[in-house]
Amino acid sequence: NAGVTQTPKFQVLKTGQSMTLQCAQDMNHNSMYWYRQDPGMGLRLIYYSASEGTTDKGEVPNGYNVSRLNKREFSLRLESAAPSQTSVYFCASSKEALTFTDTQYFGPGTRLTVL
Amino acid sequence: QKEVEQDPGPLSVPEGAIVSLNCTYSNSAFQYFMWYRQYSRKGPELLMYTYSSGNKEDGRFTAQVDKSSKYISLFIRDSQPSDSATYLCAMRASGGYNKLIFGAGTRLAVHP
Repeated sequence: NAGVTQTPKFQVLKTGQSMTLQCAQDMNHNSMYWYRQDPGMGLRLIYYSASEGTTDKGEVPNGYNVSRLNKREFSLRLESAAPSQTSVYFCASSKEALTFTDTQYFGPGTRLTVL
Repeated sequence: QKEVEQDPGPLSVPEGAIVSLNCTYSNSAFQYFMWYRQYSRKGPELLMYTYSSGNKEDGRFTAQVDKSSKYISLFIRDSQPSDSATYLCAMRASGGYNKLIFGAGTRLAVHP
């Protein structure tokens, strides 16, 4: 039982390049999330998927797209990377986003640098 | 003004000390409060959660919520070097889907 896995662990991009961050969970969770973590800012929600087949914007969606490929997998795409997207990206999953007491479980993160 | 404020530290204490970590918030609708622990270069992991007001104890950890003051605390008794990490508070309002709001995290170092 690996929990939430993310690939890659590290990535360096040049401005304007594109890339996709992959996330998978094996906990049979319905809901999945993408966050970014910047110094002094805490975790900020980029997009979430409350259930398979649905996606919604979070607090900072600009410059990103997501795909809920199936119940297990949720990917984050940067179409044209910018230096402001240099951050640590975390994927999380939870049983049911609409449940008040729902708890999120996080992956190990992807450290992205955009030059 | 941020919805959740948390002193970033760093907080440095000797082994065995009692540690107090705190968050203040502005949204009175928050009902569900969590503490996550994040080791360096790792993802956050859930440490404790509490509903509404009151205390909750789990081993050396106690979470406290004071809704009248909009203030939550995490106490660590008999702190250990293995407690050295960043501690993030998080909270959510009830009703429908409400996103989790995180504090910026407090970095704690427990030295032998």
